[in-house]
Amino acid sequence: DTEVTQTPKHLVMGMTNKKSLKCEQHMGHRAMYWYKQKAKKPPELMFVYSYEKLSINESVPSRFSPECPNSSLLNLHLHALQPEDSALYLCASSQDLQGAYNEQFFGPGTRLTVL
Amino acid sequence: AQSVTQLGSHVSVSEGALVLLRCNYSSSVPPYLFWYVQYPNQGLQLLLKYTTGATLVKGINGFEAEFKKSETSFHLTKPSAHMSDAAEYFCAVSARPGTGGYQKVTFGTGTKLQVIP
Repeated sequence: DTEVTQTPKHLVMGMTNKKSLKCEQHMGHRAMYWYKQKAKKPPELMFVYSYEKLSINESVPSRFSPECPNSSLLNLHLHALQPEDSALYLCASSQDLQGAYNEQFFGPGTRLTVL
Repeated sequence: AQSVTQLGSHVSVSEGALVLLRCNYSSSVPPYLFWYVQYPNQGLQLLLKYTTGATLVKGINGFEAEFKKSETSFHLTKPSAHMSDAAEYFCAVSARPGTGGYQKVTFGTGTKLQVIP
């Protein structure tokens, strides 16, 4: 199984809502990532987890809160978002941070719209 | 520090014609180089990667790329374009393991490939 799954596929939320994005992989990977991708732009790294511990936070606002409950699951909790946070949120995983190839496997993304 | 420059945000080719997407990189350490493809409303899929060894790398869907250190380039080619190749293509660079710290993947700004029937 070389698949990374993400739910939901689409999410519309108001600025006062609290919602969560979910990502799951069953490849035994120990590094997981959240990226944000605006239209016609490359993915921007947000967070990196390694062995269920937060390894990298790319100065992301606190209204985004990541969580890694176990080695297969990665969540992104959203609260008090702004319309400019509307984007495609991609999850990815890799063997580990120092893997021989550092190849990342991406999920299909969650299309988030903040009203 | 590392960076990637993709020349041409949009490339149009006729079906059956050669596809050439350009990528130049900058890296202070030996690079790992990747090409990813993204279809509309989907995540990124790895097409091919260069790590070590042979500089001509073959990937999925008939794509290949050649690592040219002297030109700091990693251009993506396909001999004959198919309609299904229409997508956004991202070149990316990372550092080889062992050079210290997290090996961040830096993506280029992408090239949208249009295939004309």
